[in-house]
Amino acid sequence: LAKTTQPISMDSYEGQEVNITCSHNNIATNDYITWYQQFPSQGPRFIIQGYKTKVTNEVASLFIPADRKSSTLSLPRVSLSDTAVYYCLVGVTIYSGGGADGLTFGKGTHLIIQP
Amino acid sequence: DSGVTQTPKHLITATGQRVTLRCSPRSGDLSVYWYQQSLDQGLQFLIQYYNGEERAKGNILERFSAQQFPDLHSELNLSSLELGDSALYFCASSVPPSGAAPDTQYFGPGTRLTVL
Repeated sequence: LAKTTQPISMDSYEGQEVNITCSHNNIATNDYITWYQQFPSQGPRFIIQGYKTKVTNEVASLFIPADRKSSTLSLPRVSLSDTAVYYCLVGVTIYSGGGADGLTFGKGTHLIIQP
Repeated sequence: DSGVTQTPKHLITATGQRVTLRCSPRSGDLSVYWYQQSLDQGLQFLIQYYNGEERAKGNILERFSAQQFPDLHSELNLSSLELGDSALYFCASSVPPSGAAPDTQYFGPGTRLTVL
């Protein structure tokens, strides 16, 4: 699985848009980019996944440039409840010939939202 | 609520003991994963089962073992416990993806194990 690099921590204020960038210079052709969110003492929760360009759902947007060596998770109008750790993961499923399906989590980005 | 249940929620035991953690996946999910999260190591993948068979191993110690039963629930057995085994243990489940994209894993609430 490709190694990812994210900021250790970020802070912002309620109502702001927050962008968290993840670097994955060694991403493989078949790799997808997935973001998970984790609140203290809870299991991670899937946020969004993409392969290229832009993906948007009801929670966030994911921007992936053409070279795919980085990606940006965008959280619009954050609230205090968005304070959490955000993990960027890069990999491909075993079902298409890749490695284990077990996810490789790094340290993530600690996002702190202030009032 | 992810639909994945784990019991017990908290477990306190002594060094050298053996414990069993239980996980019930979401209805219809065939894959079960176990993860360990400690303060110094972060979230580590331990092992994966798919429809009753071991599929992949991660950083699982030999003192740890797991199995998935015909009803698809899974148990993680931890033996000869050491202080360093104190951690949050998460179970996750998923269905096989239909394409090349990684499956979405749904995590349970975790079991907090404290070894004294």
